[in-house]
Amino acid sequence: DVKVTQSSRYLVKRTGEKVFLECVQDMDHENMFWYRQDPGLGLRLIYFSYDVKMKEKGDIPEGYSVSREKKERFSLILESASTNQTSMYLCASSLQGRAYNEQFFGPGTRLTVL
Amino acid sequence: AQRVTQPEKLLSVFKGAPVELKCNYSYSGSPELFWYVQYSRQRLQLLLRHISRESIKGFTADLNKGETSFHLKKPFAQEEDSAMYYCALREGAQKLVFGQGTRLTINP
Repeated sequence: DVKVTQSSRYLVKRTGEKVFLECVQDMDHENMFWYRQDPGLGLRLIYFSYDVKMKEKGDIPEGYSVSREKKERFSLILESASTNQTSMYLCASSLQGRAYNEQFFGPGTRLTVL
Repeated sequence: AQRVTQPEKLLSVFKGAPVELKCNYSYSGSPELFWYVQYSRQRLQLLLRHISRESIKGFTADLNKGETSFHLKKPFAQEEDSAMYYCALREGAQKLVFGQGTRLTINP
């Protein structure tokens, strides 16, 4: 089974703190994604990586950055957390190529910024 | 820009009744569409993809290019179908665009 794990299920941080969310997948997938999941807004893509050290902005990259130093690990960084970044964060991974469109999701990290 | 619209945030039906979750999309080319589901306390997972023309857990979805729709249907709802459902459209080679989601509740 594909397994995508996220470092924390729940996280509480203060405004202005630097926050790291970690995601690891064990199926040698090339693609990795970070989404925000908010009620009424669905899933919105923050960043996407299609290879080590490669990244592409999604729909809502402002206030976030990412790092992919190893194929299996994709980190989301909030440089200075703000209350409007309180949300559920989902990581996903997939193989490349048109035949492999299924994205496999992690359990999510619920981040609260006070 | 490509968009996916799920007009119903909440949908509640009784057990045994038919279910239809609506999804409309805007896309200029040949679309590839998916339904993802998230059951309570579980991770988001693929339910079905239009290209497979499959029925999963009794659910089917037909792509209607004329109406730009990909509605998810099940003839007889079961309580275990209660979940959050997302319609998604493939964008480019690797990415998905998700709709806003519909929370389906099946009443006993």
